[in-house]
Amino acid sequence: AQRVTQPEKLLSVFKGAPVELKCNYSYSGSPELFWYVQYSRQRLQLLLRHISRESIKGFTADLNKGETSFHLKKPFAQEEDSAMYYCALLETSGSRLTFGEGTQLTVNP
Amino acid sequence: EAGVAQSPRYKIIEKRQSVAFWCNPISGHATLYWYQQILGQGPKLLIQFQNNGVVDDSQLPKDRFSAERLKGVDSTLKIQPAKLEDSAVYLCASSLAGYTEAFFGQGTRLTVV
Repeated sequence: AQRVTQPEKLLSVFKGAPVELKCNYSYSGSPELFWYVQYSRQRLQLLLRHISRESIKGFTADLNKGETSFHLKKPFAQEEDSAMYYCALLETSGSRLTFGEGTQLTVNP
Repeated sequence: EAGVAQSPRYKIIEKRQSVAFWCNPISGHATLYWYQQILGQGPKLLIQFQNNGVVDDSQLPKDRFSAERLKGVDSTLKIQPAKLEDSAVYLCASSLAGYTEAFFGQGTRLTVV
């Protein structure tokens, strides 16, 4: 069965520091991976997906099939990046969308 | 565009009572998801619809939970009878097709006392 693991529940960095949120997955097929974000008092929303290869709000994520990882990175964190981040895997067959447990990112001034 | 609408926003019930949640997806979205999010955990898929057919309900506790999506638009999720461990936020999401971005509603926070 597919599984998404986010090893860090909490991550705290200072403004301007680099940040990396880890995500590992297990899936027998060819995965499609996403990062969703939930800012305080807002609904869960898509941040980026691996197939688009975009940089959103300065964040990037590279799919590493060898290491089965999809880590989210930003070179210079901002206070407004403080939020809950969820990694998610979409099965290409059946379209089940599975989420990790989430990482709460806090960016301190 | 209008987002995914859910109601109610909050609900407090006693154990063994029943409760129903309603979701109105974005117009034209064929895929609809219901997730349960317990405090401190990630969203857990309960059921997925494609139009008005069930695609995946393998994690739905069918002895107490039921869901329907009449006419392939709105959906309701029901719990009967509720248990203390059902306290959670229930999220509804929709997507144009199963392989496209999922848009989430604000969720319904259920407290079972």
